Amino acid sequence: GAVVSQHPSRVICKSGTSVKIECRSLDFQATTMFWYRQFPKKSLMLMATSNEGSKATYEQGVEKDKFLINHASLTLSTLTVTSAHPEDSSFYICSARDRGVYGYTFGSGTRLTVV
Amino acid sequence: GQNIDQPTEMTATEGAIVQINCTYQTSGFNGLFWYQQHAGEAPTFLSYNVLDGLEEKGRFSSFLSRSKGYSYLLLKELQMKDSASYLCALMTGTASKLTFGTGTRLQVTL
Repeated sequence: GAVVSQHPSRVICKSGTSVKIECRSLDFQATTMFWYRQFPKKSLMLMATSNEGSKATYEQGVEKDKFLINHASLTLSTLTVTSAHPEDSSFYICSARDRGVYGYTFGSGTRLTVV
Repeated sequence: GQNIDQPTEMTATEGAIVQINCTYQTSGFNGLFWYQQHAGEAPTFLSYNVLDGLEEKGRFSSFLSRSKGYSYLLLKELQMKDSASYLCALMTGTASKLTFGTGTRLQVTL
């Protein structure tokens, strides 16, 4: 079945630095990917929709200059958290639209801790 | 915008049946998903409804009423491993955006 590989699974960074998270579709072409963040004991909050070859569409309230999304190829989308602060600490997860019966394939998630 | 509401927490006994409700308000409805999620892991697909009615898959069933903006997930013969969060999600729009509800944490007890 469809697989989305997400890296890194865990990252700790210092305040003020930037962190890049990658999501790669391994056996299918993902023209659209979705990026979510999830706080402890909360549900997934959609941050943005990433479209291959065009600008991402951000949800209301999500800072596009802080959360940079690049979808340069049909198999790779990246999320860069710029100038990270402790409040950016969260679980980030990507999802790609696939053609299978399940509809969406999720990455395994990235636990970001900003210290 | 969208509102997708679920009860925050539920508790049920092993072997019992539990129903988790999801109510929503949205435009551009393309389908409704139910996912199971264990802490720190990706959501796992459980069911998909696009037409009104009941979809049954083993111990899990999901119901949809589009006119009422209502769905439920029914879990039968509960097992301890069913303790997890259950997420209702709407697929909407031409981009097939998937938006999640508030999620329900289910605790199965002996």
